[in-house]
Amino acid sequence: AQSVTQPDIHITVSEGASLELRCNYSYGATPYLFWYVQSPGQGLQLLLKYFSGDTLVQGIKGFEAEFKRSQSSFNLRKPSVHWSDAAEYFCAVGGRNNAGNMLTFGGGTRLMVKP
Amino acid sequence: DAGVTQSPTHLIKTRGQQVTLRCSPKSGHDTVSWYQQALGQGPQFIFQYYEEEERQRGNFPDRFSGHQFPNYSSELNVNALLLGDSALYLCASSFGGSSYNEQFFGPGTRLTVL
Repeated sequence: AQSVTQPDIHITVSEGASLELRCNYSYGATPYLFWYVQSPGQGLQLLLKYFSGDTLVQGIKGFEAEFKRSQSSFNLRKPSVHWSDAAEYFCAVGGRNNAGNMLTFGGGTRLMVKP
Repeated sequence: DAGVTQSPTHLIKTRGQQVTLRCSPKSGHDTVSWYQQALGQGPQFIFQYYEEEERQRGNFPDRFSGHQFPNYSSELNVNALLLGDSALYLCASSFGGSSYNEQFFGPGTRLTVL
């Protein structure tokens, strides 16, 4: 069965500082990997996704993530955090099949940004 | 393009009652998935509908059922509500049902069971 672990429930960073959110996954093969962001009262917005190829993927809002097969990780990074980045971030894994596109999400990391 | 829309926004029910939540997919999308997000947790997959049939189902009891209409809109029905069913219910739409195609999420319906 596939699973996702986000070890950090809460993270606080100062505005302008760098950010790294951790994600570890369990899946029988190379999965599809995603990062979503959820602001209060909003649905989930896709930040970036990894399917194959270059293990460093670029997303929207200046975010990037690196797929490391040996560590079963897909950590999200941003070089300089803005106050508007405060939100909940979810890592998710999807299967490589055409029988459906169920996503399995981690528990989320709540990011707070100090001025 | 209105994106994925869900109704109602909020709902309050009592234990034992039944509830129906509605979702209209993004224009051009034919696949609808439902997720339950309990407070402080990540979304959990309930089921997915494609071509008016349930194509994939998560680990939820039969009290949770759904339907997809010819216009691709969908309903989620929950019978015999329990306190533990209180959550944000998210609908996501995509095209073709492959993980390769991005899922777009609606703002959700907040269900409170008293």
